[in-house]
Amino acid sequence: DTAVSQTPKYLVTQMGNDKSIKCEQNLGHDTMYWYKQDSKKFLKIMFSYNNKELIINETVPNRFSPKSPDKAHLNLHINSLELGDSAVYFCASSHVGQGADGYTFGSGTRLTVV
Amino acid sequence: GENVEQHPSTLSVQEGDSAVIKCTYSDSASNYFPWYKQELGKGPQLIIDIRSNVGEKKDQRIAVTLNKTAKHFSLHITETQPEDSAVYFCAASSRNTGFQKLVFGTGTRLLVSP
Repeated sequence: DTAVSQTPKYLVTQMGNDKSIKCEQNLGHDTMYWYKQDSKKFLKIMFSYNNKELIINETVPNRFSPKSPDKAHLNLHINSLELGDSAVYFCASSHVGQGADGYTFGSGTRLTVV
Repeated sequence: GENVEQHPSTLSVQEGDSAVIKCTYSDSASNYFPWYKQELGKGPQLIIDIRSNVGEKKDQRIAVTLNKTAKHFSLHITETQPEDSAVYFCAASSRNTGFQKLVFGTGTRLLVSP
């Protein structure tokens, strides 16, 4: 059973298009995240949701809109894609609070904008 | 906000040697320090973590040490094997954020040669 699953694994699209990436976790965690990993492997947080509420928004352009229909799902919609959006996007989840554990990451979505 | 620096960026060792990766953090309120291993084409995977009330933690060939005064923490891998080859990330989380926002180091590419 996959703990954090995200789809699609690969996404190739043209500039200006709109695309979505989906994420689901079956760990019972209360918090989910989106991270962006650039070509130099640097991992930077984009968003964090706790029990469907937006907690962290790290000055991400408003072309990126996360949506959390329930605490097991966190989707990422991107409008008007740009070349600079090309990266690997990771979804993660964790339990927050006393004795919080580390993140469990999904396997990533490699987005290529051409 | 928190800033995590990680060194070295690349590390090459012979099989059986030890490897040490060092990180420093800036926020004295940080209290949770996980380490992640990322293999090619996969998401980061938690390998060990340490909390601020502990100075050292060991799990088989992997150990982590924490010096709160100097704001340093390190990953030690003994008896390295080729399958240890991967990118390793340190991270830090501050209770000041209220929720668990992990700030990652820039990664260390470890290559273990047979």
